[in-house]
Amino acid sequence: KQEVTQIPAALSVPEGENLVLNCSFTDSAIYNLQWFRQDPGKGLTSLLLIQSSQREQTSGRLNASLDKSSGRSTLYIAASQPGDSATYLCAVRGNNDMRFGAGTRLTVKP
Amino acid sequence: EPEVTQTPSHQVTQMGQEVILRCVPISNHLYFYWYRQILGQKVEFLVSFYNNEISEKSEIFDDQFSVERPDGSNFTLKIRSTKLEDSAMYFCASSESWREADEQFFGPGTRLTVL
Repeated sequence: KQEVTQIPAALSVPEGENLVLNCSFTDSAIYNLQWFRQDPGKGLTSLLLIQSSQREQTSGRLNASLDKSSGRSTLYIAASQPGDSATYLCAVRGNNDMRFGAGTRLTVKP
Repeated sequence: EPEVTQTPSHQVTQMGQEVILRCVPISNHLYFYWYRQILGQKVEFLVSFYNNEISEKSEIFDDQFSVERPDGSNFTLKIRSTKLEDSAMYFCASSESWREADEQFFGPGTRLTVL
């Protein structure tokens, strides 16, 4: 059974810092991995999707990498802004379902 | 930009009552999903739906739950006899297909409170 873990659970940084969020998964037989942003009490906004055959994806200040063999993905956020404050979730899609990590709650202080 | 919509945003019900949560997926998408998130816990997969039938379901999706696409636009989740532990945020999602490149797009959620 796929288990997805995110570290750290919470992170607080000053504005302008570059940061890395980590996601690990136990079963490397995946279709893709998707990073989401969730604001308090809101839905999930898709940020990036990395297919199993890809190593990384970039969108603006975000860069996500995938190392399937070691069961790891990272989300790199460059030049963080207060508006980046949210919970970031990674989700791994397998053959039958999608499994989520518990998220990293990010606070970017002005 | 097309988006997944859900109604109602908040539903309060008494234990034992039936509830129907409604979703309108993105119009050209063919795969539909329901997830739930109990307060403070992970998002959990409930069910996927394609071609008018269930593709996959989790162990959470027992006989109390059912899904339906009653017309060309709506996708519903019915809980027959709600329990206190069904209180959660329920998210609908859709994707074009089941290919590796296909993102799932989520709706804003329905917060279900069972009293």
